Amino acid sequence: EAGVTQFPSHSVIEKGQTVTLRCDPISGHDNLYWYRRVMGKEIKFLLHFVKESKQDESGMPNNRFLAERTGGTYSTLKVQPAELEDSGVYFCASSTGGGPKNEKLFFGSGTQLSVL
Amino acid sequence: AQKVTQAQTEISVVEKEDVTLDCVYETRDTTYYLFWYKQPPSGELVFLIRRNSFDEQNEISGRYSWNFQKSTSSFNFTITASQVVDSAVYFCALDAYSGAGSYQLTFGKGTKLSVIP
Repeated sequence: EAGVTQFPSHSVIEKGQTVTLRCDPISGHDNLYWYRRVMGKEIKFLLHFVKESKQDESGMPNNRFLAERTGGTYSTLKVQPAELEDSGVYFCASSTGGGPKNEKLFFGSGTQLSVL
Repeated sequence: AQKVTQAQTEISVVEKEDVTLDCVYETRDTTYYLFWYKQPPSGELVFLIRRNSFDEQNEISGRYSWNFQKSTSSFNFTITASQVVDSAVYFCALDAYSGAGSYQLTFGKGTKLSVIP
């Protein structure tokens, strides 16, 4: 069974450019999460989708970040325009639902974003 | 507010040694969940264990064991007879169940474990 897949694995862009990260969750997982680890800091929650709906986007840093999950399958996270402080590793995770009480969260390998 | 502290940034041990990774957490919630994840060189975070706040029993899984102590707000992880394959970054995480079915995990900064052959 395929795990959570993220594309690209690495992205290097210049400040002011746009970047789109993609996440393909495990098939059948309605819940999809985005997390981010900025250099030297903790991994932090960004947002949570249930199917195509945003369940919780309280962790999104600002309106330069736009996440979508059309059709409830894969998700994209667009950063426009990118700033230096956006550099870090962006993780995607998926689960079948139920929250931390019952379910396991499966993470992808992350996208390493470098903004120069 | 929730917080997870992993005071050990990096640890190096020689193969077959035992090693304990420390995790201290802060939360005001009475119901919460604690996790350990392993991040091997391939990058993905691999789930190791979940423990809820009402279950203080220690757990052993092969060479891995976990010691949960509410009195000290700690959830430490011990690897017995370490192996080179245990080399990875290990993250402790906390989630206070919001009731919304959402995993909003609070992570520690991670401990990088290097097992030297």
